[in-house]
Amino acid sequence: GDSVTQMEGPVTLSEEAFLTINCTYTATGYPSLFWYVQYPGEGLQLLLKATKADDKGSNKGFEATYRKETTSFHLEKGSVQVSDSAVYFCALRSGGSYIPTFGRGTSLIVHP
Amino acid sequence: GAVVSQHPSRVICKSGTSVKIECRSLDFQATTMFWYRQFPKQSLMLMATSNEGSKATYEQGVEKDKFLINHASLTLSTLTVTSAHPEDSSFYICSARDLASTSGGGVNEQFFGPGTRLTVL
Repeated sequence: GDSVTQMEGPVTLSEEAFLTINCTYTATGYPSLFWYVQYPGEGLQLLLKATKADDKGSNKGFEATYRKETTSFHLEKGSVQVSDSAVYFCALRSGGSYIPTFGRGTSLIVHP
Repeated sequence: GAVVSQHPSRVICKSGTSVKIECRSLDFQATTMFWYRQFPKQSLMLMATSNEGSKATYEQGVEKDKFLINHASLTLSTLTVTSAHPEDSSFYICSARDLASTSGGGVNEQFFGPGTRLTVL
């Protein structure tokens, strides 16, 4: 079955540091890939997505590129802010399904 | 974007009691809502799919008599944890599918609620 593997957290960074959160997946066919963010006390929000190989999703300074050859969708940001502190979930959705498969989530803590 | 609310945000109850959690889509109609359970440092696990006006579809291993789901209107689904026990303590998250919003491939987007923290003593 489908699965998503994320690096374990927490990831602790200083403000303006470079961020990478690794995500790899296993799926049949050609899934769509997503990153969701969950800020403290709030629901999950879609951060970015990519629907086919080599697509790059981007939003709020975050980027992730759909790498079919390495089955990866790593999240990056060049300069993190304290307000980026949250839990980040990598997810995939196969075929015509509307139900995503989530990774375990990676907590990001950014210090001033 | 579309907003989904949950109530309560946090509940503590005694073992053996029942707890009802509400999930509302505030500015859109949702014929389908989803209930997830999240254990600490674990991913979200889909428990059931709630369809307006019909019975919910439960995932394998989820007790339908334990987790009662009602989706009586296009904006409200409820999850009732019956005869709760400490092992039911968890973070429960709902999501709703907005038929008017599509993502890549024409698949409707899901919007998530903020979650409900249930603690059973």
